[in-house]
Amino acid sequence: GNSVTQMEGPVTLSEEAFLTINCTYTATGYPSLFWYVQYPGEGLQLLLKATKADDKGSNKGFEATYRKETTSFHLEKGSVQVSDSAVYFCALSTTGFQKLVFGTGTRLLVSP
Amino acid sequence: KAGVTQTPRYLIKTRGQQVTLSCSPISGHRSVSWYQQTPGQGLQFLFEYFSETQRNKGNFPGRFSGRQFSNSRSEMNVSTLELGDSALYLCASSPGQAIMNTEAFFGQGTRLTVV
Repeated sequence: GNSVTQMEGPVTLSEEAFLTINCTYTATGYPSLFWYVQYPGEGLQLLLKATKADDKGSNKGFEATYRKETTSFHLEKGSVQVSDSAVYFCALSTTGFQKLVFGTGTRLLVSP
Repeated sequence: KAGVTQTPRYLIKTRGQQVTLSCSPISGHRSVSWYQQTPGQGLQFLFEYFSETQRNKGNFPGRFSGRQFSNSRSEMNVSTLELGDSALYLCASSPGQAIMNTEAFFGQGTRLTVV
């Protein structure tokens, strides 16, 4: 079946450090890939998405490239801020019917 | 534009009871999906409704059910509550077309505690 594997957290960084959160997937067909972010006490917000191989999603300084050859969708940001502290979820969809398969989430802690 | 609204935000129930959670999607959205989030299992898909019909279902027991009304509002019901049903229940809405890159917008969730 379809699945998403994320790196274990927490990821602890100092402000302005470079961020990478690894995400790999297993899917039948050609999935769409997403990164969602969850702030404390909140629901999920879509951070970025990519719908086909080699697409790069980007938003608020975050980027991720859909790599079909390595089945990966790693999240990167060049310079993190304290306000980026949250839980990040990688997800995929193969049906287009809003059935998302999520990874376990990676908590990011950024200190000043 | 109002976002996805889930009510109530917090709920405490006793084992064996039943509970109903409500979700009002973004205006014009016809698809509503439900997810359960727990520390142990993470985010798991429960079911999805489109135009009052269940279009997809996750791997949950029959105690979990849902419905959607003609105005696209959705409810989910859990009967005979167990301690393991304690979770954050998230609702997501989307326009509903079967398009691969359709975005899902999530509500803030209902935190259910079963004691």
